[in-house]
Amino acid sequence: ETVLTQSPGTLSLSPGERATLSCRASQSITANYLAWYQLLSGQAPRLLIYSASIRATGIPDRFSGSGSGTDFTLTISRLEPEDFAVYYCQQYGNSPIYTFGQGTKLEIK
Amino acid sequence: EEELVESGGDLVKPGGSLRLACVGSGFTFSNAWMSWVRQAPGKGLEWVGRVKSKPNGETTDYAAPVKGRFIISRDDSRNTAYLQMNNLKIEDTGIYHCVVGWYFDLWGRGTLVTVSS
Repeated sequence: ETVLTQSPGTLSLSPGERATLSCRASQSITANYLAWYQLLSGQAPRLLIYSASIRATGIPDRFSGSGSGTDFTLTISRLEPEDFAVYYCQQYGNSPIYTFGQGTKLEIK
Repeated sequence: EEELVESGGDLVKPGGSLRLACVGSGFTFSNAWMSWVRQAPGKGLEWVGRVKSKPNGETTDYAAPVKGRFIISRDDSRNTAYLQMNNLKIEDTGIYHCVVGWYFDLWGRGTLVTVSS
């Protein structure tokens, strides 16, 4: 099973700042099949990025994904108030088991 | 419009059983690989398991914590996926979502399962 480790656990930033979230895999992810999700309290998760760097439909371009192999990054270029949430990475390349990271909480400083 | 609606969540005692259902609409359900994802209170997202489409053999895979206790199935004539949960444990408490595909761009609102004595 591929274990995903996200860092930091909590990130404290102010609106307008840049956020960089990391997701590291215990083994290389096939075809860089890694996705990022945003989870707001009381809502279903929202897909942000898939295949490491492709923005999902309707996702603002301030969200970007990068990386390959075992190291992946989600960057939010300029934080908006609605971006403060919990973010998860998920791998779907190393079948048959999909796995999520433990999450990074992005909080207002 | 694509939609997933889960149902069946309830309060159940440890060792008990429960069956969740997920009805899909607005997409070709029979071609979809259906997964269940859960979120325990105060915890992160956890993939539970998946049933592939019939053309892909309708095979199932499960996460280690539920393997041997949970069974995922589907009825394409009803556009419905099921999660049969047996020998439930307290740590199975959480909101259960059904999702579609390999990466999950469509989520249901979820159904709450509470395992408590």
